Amino acid sequence: AQTVTQSQPEMSVQEAETVTLSCTYDTSESDYYLFWYKQPPSRQMILVIRQEAYKQQNATENRFSVNFQKAAKSFSLKISDSQLGDAAMYFCAYRSVLRGVSGYALNFGKGTSLLVTP
Amino acid sequence: DGGITQSPKYLFRKEGQNVTLSCEQNLNHDAMYWYRQDPGQGLRLIYYSQIVNDFQKGDIAEGYSVSREKKESFPLTVTSAQKNPTAFYLCASSMRFGDDPTGELFFGEGSRLTVL
Repeated sequence: AQTVTQSQPEMSVQEAETVTLSCTYDTSESDYYLFWYKQPPSRQMILVIRQEAYKQQNATENRFSVNFQKAAKSFSLKISDSQLGDAAMYFCAYRSVLRGVSGYALNFGKGTSLLVTP
Repeated sequence: DGGITQSPKYLFRKEGQNVTLSCEQNLNHDAMYWYRQDPGQGLRLIYYSQIVNDFQKGDIAEGYSVSREKKESFPLTVTSAQKNPTAFYLCASSMRFGDDPTGELFFGEGSRLTVL
């Protein structure tokens, strides 16, 4: 089974600064998708960004970008110009193929809690 | 607005009782999922269903049961056999894999179950 590892349980960043959250994964597949989800205190899971493994170009969504290193199986999230509203739990996820059926599920890391200080 | 509705948001249960968590979606998604979230554990897959009248066990299915009689609905029953049922439960849905290869999940707001 594919595993997703987030080695930083907690991170802290000052407003307007940049922070990078780490994620590594283990897979034998050649094509797959990776995701970062944000879970604010409301606990609603929100998609931040996704990356297809076949695409060389790193995905970007406004202040959020990824550094995807396929050979190293690394998928870090960079948040630029951090805002107070970025404070949340961030989960890295890998799309895995489900056993016995035609479909997928997401395997999640344990999460990184991001604190944003004024 | 399209979305996923989970109810109740908070639920208290005595040991030995079964409890059912509701999940309804109006996104016209074929696939639905139940995840369990514990502090420091991330999200773990309990059950999933790719089509009506079919569902499969995920990584931690013991002590849980589901049904999928309608496309819109995927209720989860936490049985008395579940040894540590106190947790936050998230329901999610996605498009059929042939329609969306990314596997992106859309989530409900979750249900917090506490066993007294």
